[in-house]
Amino acid sequence: EPEVTQTPSHQVTQMGQEVILRCVPISNHLYFYWYRQILGQKVEFLVSFYNNEISEKSEIFDDQFSVERPDGSNFTLKIRSTKLEDSAMYFCASSRPTGGNSPLHFGNGTRLTVT
Amino acid sequence: KNEVEQSPQNLTAQEGEFITINCSYSVGISALHWLQQHPGGGIVSLFMLSSGKKKHGRLIATINIQEKHSSLHITASHPRDSAVYICAAVLNYGGSQGNLIFGKGTKLSVKP
Repeated sequence: EPEVTQTPSHQVTQMGQEVILRCVPISNHLYFYWYRQILGQKVEFLVSFYNNEISEKSEIFDDQFSVERPDGSNFTLKIRSTKLEDSAMYFCASSRPTGGNSPLHFGNGTRLTVT
Repeated sequence: KNEVEQSPQNLTAQEGEFITINCSYSVGISALHWLQQHPGGGIVSLFMLSSGKKKHGRLIATINIQEKHSSLHITASHPRDSAVYICAAVLNYGGSQGNLIFGKGTKLSVKP
C-alpha cells in the first residue's frame, strides 16, 4: 500500500538555524498538509497546500514557516530561524482529491530538536 | 473558541473488554476523524465520518452532528489496540479537509 514518507526521522539543529523537513506524499494525492505535535501536547494544524499554493494556514504558521512543492514528488516545510519552542514532532499528510469524506494518510513524522 | 474534548483521558482495560471513547465538540463541523497514534508516534487514520456509523473490523465509529458528539468503540479489545486514540474535527468542508482541530487524545492500555 502506498505510504507517505518523511525524512529525516530525527533532526537536531541549533537555535537560529534553518531547517527543511521533507515529505513525499502518495503519488495521486493532491492535498498536502503539515501538522506539529509538541511533546506531551495535542496535534496542531499548520498548513494545507493544494494546486501549488497554500489553501489554509493556522496562526502558528507565521512568516518563519514556508512550504514548497519543488518537483512532482516532494513537499517541504522550511523553518527559517528555528527557536527552542519549534522543537516538536512534525507530521506530513496527504489526501485524495475526491469529494466526500477523504481520509488522511500520515507520514511517520520528523522529530525536530532545537538546542 | 473551537474545542474538541475527549473522554476519558486514560483508559485501562482487560483483553476482551468492550471499549468506548467519547468525543464532543463545540462548533458546527462538516466531518470528524478518528486517528490512532502508536507508541512510536506514527498516526494512522481509522475513520472519517460526517453522519451515522462506520465499521471496520472490531472498530465502530458513530457521530451525531446535531448533538456534536462522536464515539469510537472497540469490540473484543486486544493488547495490540494499546495506543492513543485522537478525534479531530474538520472545520471547512468546502476547502481542505485537513484543517483540523484535534482532541488531546485518549491513551488506551489493554492488559492481557
